[in-house]
Amino acid sequence: DAGVTQSPTHLIKTRGQHVTLRCSPISGHKSVSWYQQVLGQGPQFIFQYYEKEERGRGNFPDRFSARQFPNYSSELNVNALLLGDSALYLCASSLTTDNEQFFGPGTRLTVL
Amino acid sequence: RKEVEQDPGPFNVPEGATVAFNCTYSNSASQSFFWYRQDCRKEPKLLMSVYSSGNEDGRFTAQLNRASQYISLLIRDSKLSDSATYLCVVNEGGYQKVTFGTGTKLQVIP
Repeated sequence: DAGVTQSPTHLIKTRGQHVTLRCSPISGHKSVSWYQQVLGQGPQFIFQYYEKEERGRGNFPDRFSARQFPNYSSELNVNALLLGDSALYLCASSLTTDNEQFFGPGTRLTVL
Repeated sequence: RKEVEQDPGPFNVPEGATVAFNCTYSNSASQSFFWYRQDCRKEPKLLMSVYSSGNEDGRFTAQLNRASQYISLLIRDSKLSDSATYLCVVNEGGYQKVTFGTGTKLQVIP
């Protein structure tokens, strides 16, 4: 069975640009969560979606947004990129909102 | 006080040793708890869920102490392949639900 997939794997952007990251959950999982991980830190929770509705939001500015589609895949959008947005962005899927989460390989974003 | 705290380590232990990590959390209403391992530049992988009654999976034992608000992970007979960063995860419920600790780095030495 396919695990969580994310695209692209790597991305280089410049300050002020916009980026869209994509995630496909494990088949049958209806919840997708997004995390940001900078070097030396644990993942920081950004959003959780379940059945296309936002069910959780971390302490991130409004430049960060996300959505979930009817097939349960998800996009994370970041506007007006800052140097500090450089990080590994992880997507995790779970059956519902409180179950164990399974992570994709991440998208490594570099902002120059 | 951080919501979820872990000793960052590193813990350097010889092969075959037993090592234990603790993780404290601040929200007494937290609902579910997990341990993940993360290898360098890879995604976190679920190691085990943590239940009030404690649970064991081979060489790994996880325990939850709600009264003192901590979870623990015990690794027996350490292998070189256990070298990784171990992340504790607390699901607090509500809208800002999931908090990861910063991770504890384990290095098993031959």
